[in-house]
Amino acid sequence: QKEVEQNSGPLSVPEGAIASLNCTYSDRGSQSFFWYRQYSGKSPELIMSIYSNGDKEDGRFTAQLNKASQYVSLLIRDSQPSDSATYLCAANTGKLIFGQGTTLQVKP
Amino acid sequence: EADIYQTPRYLVIGTGKKITLECSQTMGHDKMYWYQQDPGMELHLIHYSYGVNSTEKGDLSSESTVSRIRTEHFPLTLESARPSHTSQYLCASSEVEGEQYFGPGTRLTVT
Repeated sequence: QKEVEQNSGPLSVPEGAIASLNCTYSDRGSQSFFWYRQYSGKSPELIMSIYSNGDKEDGRFTAQLNKASQYVSLLIRDSQPSDSATYLCAANTGKLIFGQGTTLQVKP
Repeated sequence: EADIYQTPRYLVIGTGKKITLECSQTMGHDKMYWYQQDPGMELHLIHYSYGVNSTEKGDLSSESTVSRIRTEHFPLTLESARPSHTSQYLCASSEVEGEQYFGPGTRLTVT
């Protein structure tokens, strides 16, 4: 079992819809969680961090953390074609462990 | 804005050559990392450093070595390049564990 698991996708949503990206982790000692966005051919870019249970909102992005279920999610509201990218979930277990990423396609 | 630089951006080199990939950051971050990523594949941590004169190997076995003599500089060296080393190499730095800033990457091709 991988330490951080994501469905590789692709996840396809129409423009304007809500995209929901999910991630599970195995180490209950994980303290903090991060979402990175990686456009094709580019480097990852940090877009959200979440440190405690519940929701954290930043513009069109909402990160959700449920430590009891070992589950992290990222919601993107009003999805735009420019959101099309691979989204990497990462857990801090003392060092940062990345998932394999979910590819999101937003269709106009 | 994060200021982390990698040179060269692209490198094509023959088997057996020694190469050094440069990474520099101007943010004063103590933590620096090297990752390897093949197209469409996962990030693999190959080396990291939590400060000057501190280096550790990551999860992916690598024939490369690193040094950290100055806070801002974290070069990666391959003593003898092989075609299996062909990949994208990404450098990152952070102040807070998890909040990493990535450089633009070096795409290495070994012929």
